[in-house]
Amino acid sequence: QKEVEQNSGPLSVPEGAIASLNCTYSDRGSQSFFWYRQYSGKSPELIMFIYSNGDKEDGRFTAQLNKASQYVSLLIRDSQPSDSATYLCAVWTNQAGTALIFGKGTTLSVSS
Amino acid sequence: NAGVMQNPRHLVRRRGQEARLRCSPMKGHSHVYWYRQLPEEGLKFMVYLQKENIIDESGMPKERFSAEFPKEGPSILRIQQVVRGDSAAYFCASSGRGSGANVLTFGAGSRLTVL
Repeated sequence: QKEVEQNSGPLSVPEGAIASLNCTYSDRGSQSFFWYRQYSGKSPELIMFIYSNGDKEDGRFTAQLNKASQYVSLLIRDSQPSDSATYLCAVWTNQAGTALIFGKGTTLSVSS
Repeated sequence: NAGVMQNPRHLVRRRGQEARLRCSPMKGHSHVYWYRQLPEEGLKFMVYLQKENIIDESGMPKERFSAEFPKEGPSILRIQQVVRGDSAAYFCASSGRGSGANVLTFGAGSRLTVL
């Protein structure tokens, strides 16, 4: 059973729209959740993290966590072409020992 | 304010040769993680090390792969007798704390091509 799952996409949205990226995880005991962005050929860079149920906002980004449903999402408001990248959901899980486990990522394409 | 430094950025090896990838964590960080990313695949955890200790190597292939983080110097991921399937991007990340709530900062990666 995969530990962190994301739709691979591509998710296509027009410039200025809201992009919604979703992620589910299998370890109910997971406590920490992260979103990274990865441009083609580059390394992952942290967007934000969330530990508590509910919403956490940082600029145009909002992370949402629902531990009961084992679901975490990332909303990007006012999407820009520069947001076009692969978004990686990551979860600290005890199922794999001590590691941060990543989903395969969702590719987002923002058209101008 | 150097971040996580990895070298070489690109490495080409022929089948059967050895590859050595190096990673220097961010200043003040003592936890190092290695991940592998195959083309069109996600990041796969390989190994977690602290100075002079391997904490978790559950993601390391059983043969040909080894990692170390000596008291002095960078962490090294070593791949012996490389095969074409080893061609991938290898990312190192570091953190200032252990597992749980800490944030991983990634290096630029080392891209291995096996001919």
